[in-house]
Amino acid sequence: AQTVTQSQPEMSVQEAETVTLSCTYDTSESDYYLFWYKQPPSRQMILVIRQEAYKQQNATENRFSVNFQKAAKSFSLKISDSQLGDAAMYFCAHKDMRFGAGTRLTVKP
Amino acid sequence: SQTIHQWPATLVQPVGSPLSLECTVEGTSNPNLYWYRQAAGRGLQLLFYSVGIGQISSEVPQNLSASRPQDRQFILSSKKLLLSDSGFYLCALVSGGQIESEAFFGQGTRLTVV
Repeated sequence: AQTVTQSQPEMSVQEAETVTLSCTYDTSESDYYLFWYKQPPSRQMILVIRQEAYKQQNATENRFSVNFQKAAKSFSLKISDSQLGDAAMYFCAHKDMRFGAGTRLTVKP
Repeated sequence: SQTIHQWPATLVQPVGSPLSLECTVEGTSNPNLYWYRQAAGRGLQLLFYSVGIGQISSEVPQNLSASRPQDRQFILSSKKLLLSDSGFYLCALVSGGQIESEAFFGQGTRLTVV
């Protein structure tokens, strides 16, 4: 089974600033996807962004982007121009549906 | 589009009572289905997953069991609840069998064992 590690239980960012959430993983597979999910206070999980391991280009979705370092098995999420609505738990996940412990992001006005 | 229904939203059960949480899926066939437990403010612990009718894989041996009697139905059960079974339970689906497929989640059940 794959393992996913998020070493930041909590992070805080000022509104309009940029924050990076860390994730590392372990896998023996050569082709796989990695995902970031957001869980707001409503607890409804939603997909933020996904990255294919074979693609060298980092995925980007509006204000959200990833820094994917395949050799280092690192998959961090960058949130630019942070908004109050970005406050949530963020989970990193491997395609086999194993999740990291999550990072709680607080956005300060 | 795919939707996943999970109920009840909230449940309070006494210790030693049975449990049955149901998850049903619409808009897709033969999905992979998953049950997770989330302690307050914590991560998602994968409990069970199923790749087809009657096929259940257990990740964490404990007081719970799962069944998939129909393609679009996934049930989490317990014969006798423990206090430690309290938590937030989430059902999820991944359809199509593609590695890039995202997961869709139910709205969860908050279980309190008293």
